[in-house]
Amino acid sequence: AQTIHQWPVAEIKAVGSPLSLGCTIKGKSSPNLYWYWQATGGTLQQLFYSITVGQVESVVQLNLSASRPKDDQFILSTEKLLLSHSGFYLCAWMGTANERLFFGHGTKLSVL
Amino acid sequence: GDSVTQTEGQVALSEEDFLTIHCNYSASGYPALFWYVQYPGEGPQFLFRASRDKEKGSSRGFEATYDKGTTSFHLRKASVQESDSAVYYCALGDYNYAQGLTFGLGTRVSVFP
Repeated sequence: AQTIHQWPVAEIKAVGSPLSLGCTIKGKSSPNLYWYWQATGGTLQQLFYSITVGQVESVVQLNLSASRPKDDQFILSTEKLLLSHSGFYLCAWMGTANERLFFGHGTKLSVL
Repeated sequence: GDSVTQTEGQVALSEEDFLTIHCNYSASGYPALFWYVQYPGEGPQFLFRASRDKEKGSSRGFEATYDKGTTSFHLRKASVQESDSAVYYCALGDYNYAQGLTFGLGTRVSVFP
């Protein structure tokens, strides 16, 4: 069975500090990977997607970047956090059959 | 671009009430339509999807029928329980939705005993 693990579960960071969030998918070869962001009480806003290792496409610019260093790993990062980066970050994967998105449990980020 | 509109932002019901959440979409061709449910502090969970006109999706007592004529995919449940309290999202994927899904704003459902 496939599993998706996001880390950390929660972060409290200062404005201007760097950030790195991670996501690992086990049990699925060459998944499509996605980052979504959710403001408190808000909808799911797609940030990035990746179809293959080393290739990442940006959907919306929020002063964030993403990388896919391995087939099963997706990283979200920034060198300087803004207050507006606070929220819930969700990693998701989709199999090659493109049937549906499977979401991780998310990372809650508070920027102070 | 493609979009999804959920009419209700919040819905408050009593147990055993009938639930309807309206979802209308704007897209070309035959997009795939989805319903997801999200509980506090968790990632969204897939309920079901449909990809053809008049196709019905269902899960956990919830159901929706893809209607291309009215560009709708309304979520319904005949008798809600307190455990159905959550946020429900309608989502759309176009013909190449390997690029991801577009979500509606969500509907917060509160069911009271």
